[in-house]
Amino acid sequence: KQEVTQIPAALSVPEGENLVLNCSFTDSAIYNLQWFRQDPGKGLTSLLLIQSSQREQTSGRLNASLDKSSGRSTLYIAASQPGDSATYLCAPELSGSARQLTFGSGTQLTVLP
Amino acid sequence: GAGVSQSPSNKVTEKGKDVELRCDPISGHTALYWYRQSLGQGLEFLIYFQGNSAPDKSGLPSDRFSAERTGGSVSTLTIQRTQQEDSAVYLCASSFPAREQYFGPGTRLTVT
Repeated sequence: KQEVTQIPAALSVPEGENLVLNCSFTDSAIYNLQWFRQDPGKGLTSLLLIQSSQREQTSGRLNASLDKSSGRSTLYIAASQPGDSATYLCAPELSGSARQLTFGSGTQLTVLP
Repeated sequence: GAGVSQSPSNKVTEKGKDVELRCDPISGHTALYWYRQSLGQGLEFLIYFQGNSAPDKSGLPSDRFSAERTGGSVSTLTIQRTQQEDSAVYLCASSFPAREQYFGPGTRLTVT
């Protein structure tokens, strides 16, 4: 069974800092990995999807990397802003017929103005 | 274009009643997923539909839970004889095969 761990569980930084969120997973037989953000009381917003054959993916101030063999992914946020405050979730998708995502518990990020 | 929509946004029901939750996926997406998010369990997979294939029901927690997808589009998740532990936010997502999953806003179910 895939298990996903996200570290740290919570993070508070001043505006403008660069930061890294970590995700590790136990089963490396993944098809891809998605990063999401979730605002309080809201659904999930997809940020980035990395295919298993890729090493990294970038979107604006976000950069996600994937090391499939070691079961790790990181999300780098550059020049953080108060609007980045949310819970960030990592979700690898297992290979095979069941295209289900397995979620970590998330990192709750607070960016202070 | 429109995203994934879910209804109702909130549902309060008495223990033992049946409930139906609805999901309208993004037009053209052939894959549809149901997840639930609860305080004690985090986000967990429930069921997956892909085109006309038999659904993957491996995540359904009990036989009180069922789901169908009509015409390859709208899906309904039904919970029979609701229990308090069914209280959670039920999230629906859709995608093209093996592509990004896009989530709806969820239905918050409270069983009293």
